[in-house]
Amino acid sequence: EAGVVQSPRYKIIEKKQPVAFWCNPISGHNTLYWYLQNLGQGPELLIRYENEEAVDDSQLPKDRFSAERLKGVDSTLKIQPAELGDSAVYLCASSPGGTSGYEQYFGPGTRLTVT
Amino acid sequence: GNSVTQMEGPVTLSEEAFLTINCTYTATGYPSLFWYVQYPGEGLQLLLKATKADDKGSNKGFEATYRKETTSFHLEKGSVQVSDSAVYFCALSTGNQFYFGTGTSLTVIP
Repeated sequence: EAGVVQSPRYKIIEKKQPVAFWCNPISGHNTLYWYLQNLGQGPELLIRYENEEAVDDSQLPKDRFSAERLKGVDSTLKIQPAELGDSAVYLCASSPGGTSGYEQYFGPGTRLTVT
Repeated sequence: GNSVTQMEGPVTLSEEAFLTINCTYTATGYPSLFWYVQYPGEGLQLLLKATKADDKGSNKGFEATYRKETTSFHLEKGSVQVSDSAVYFCALSTGNQFYFGTGTSLTVIP
C-alpha cells in the first residue's frame, strides 16, 4: 500500500512569490491534515479535511494561505505571497477515521525556504 | 483544553542503555495516546499507540503504558541502538483532533 505522497520535497523561493504544495493521501483515507513544523518543534495543525469539507481551519492564516481538496482525495496548500517566516516543513497526513481509527500517517513533508 | 507535555531534550545515551522519555497529558474525555518517531529528513511515523487506560502499546522494543491515574504515557526501551537516534513525539487524539508534544531528540552513541 502506498503511503502519503507529497511534492515537491524541497522548494526555495523568494519572498512575495507564490508557492503550492501537493498531497495525495493513502487510498480510502477520508481525513486529511496539513501541518506546519518549525525546526525543533512539533507539528502545528493548519487545516483538517473530512472528505472535501474543511472542518477545522481555525489556525490557517487566511490572508495568505489557502487550501483545497476538491474531490475529497488529493489536496493542495498554497501560500501567496510567501514571507520569510513561512520557512518551515509542511507536512500532510491522512487517517481512515471512524471505526477504522484516527492514527495519522504522515508524508515526508515539503521543506520550504523563503529567501 | 487538551495538551501534551514531553520531557525536554536532547537526550544522549550510549548503545544498549535504558531509555525513558516522559510524557504527560491533559485531556477532556478519554483520549487515545500515541508515540511518533521522526528520522532526519522524513515525516513522522507511528511508533505505538494505546486507546484506553492500562493499555500497553509496543513496537520495535519500545513500550508505553496508558496511565490514567497519573495522566502519563512514558516511552521506554530496554536497550537502545544507534539506529534509534531520532526525534520522538508524544501525541493524544480526541477523535480526529490531534495534539502533539514538542518532541524529544535522542542520540545514541556507539
